Amino acid sequence: QQPVQSPQAVILREGEDAVINCSSSKALYSVHWYRQKHGEAPVFLMILLKGGEQKGHEKISASFNEKKQQSSLYLTASQLSYSGTYFCGTRRSGNTGKLIFGQGTTLQVKP
Amino acid sequence: DTGVSQDPRHKITKRGQNVTFRCDPISEHNRLYWYRQTLGQGPEFLTYFQNEAQLEKSRLLSDRFSAERPKGSFSTLEIQRTEQGDSAMYLCASAQGADSPLHFGNGTRLTVT
Repeated sequence: QQPVQSPQAVILREGEDAVINCSSSKALYSVHWYRQKHGEAPVFLMILLKGGEQKGHEKISASFNEKKQQSSLYLTASQLSYSGTYFCGTRRSGNTGKLIFGQGTTLQVKP
Repeated sequence: DTGVSQDPRHKITKRGQNVTFRCDPISEHNRLYWYRQTLGQGPEFLTYFQNEAQLEKSRLLSDRFSAERPKGSFSTLEIQRTEQGDSAMYLCASAQGADSPLHFGNGTRLTVT
């Protein structure tokens, strides 16, 4: 089942902060975050695993609430380069590896 | 690490024709995924492999779609009797394990006329 992302779109000024949320109705084992710029392939940002392990870029911050099956991606002091569409991908507990992506959150950072 | 490569980049075909796409993953990656993406939507899962074994195929996929990964290296995705609704970007990604980052190729854009 597809995870739900919110908000659908965000417009920021450079230096402002944003939070993107991802929630699932199913028990999750891991949550991935990717960013896709127009006309390009999605690029990996971070993986959060059940139990607290995280893998990803040092400048990216995210959380995974295992009780609520929710993850949040924190974008602080936004830069123009942060613009793009952010996708969360979720792997359900007990599944061997299928990753299902949400519908995306479009972020636009203006000067 | 030469990245994931997909061929062709673009494919225009007439309705009813068969098409085949190729994906070459990063060489040491044992997992290979196929996704389909339409404008404004997230990547839609199609199928994935661990080595040469196809572990799961989306129930949304009709029997017109088939994928193979012989010898656990490159993979092909075939669509038979294409329909206009098949028009989309077809993305391939590879990974080193179940919870490793997916590395995406640049995709094959299919247009069915």
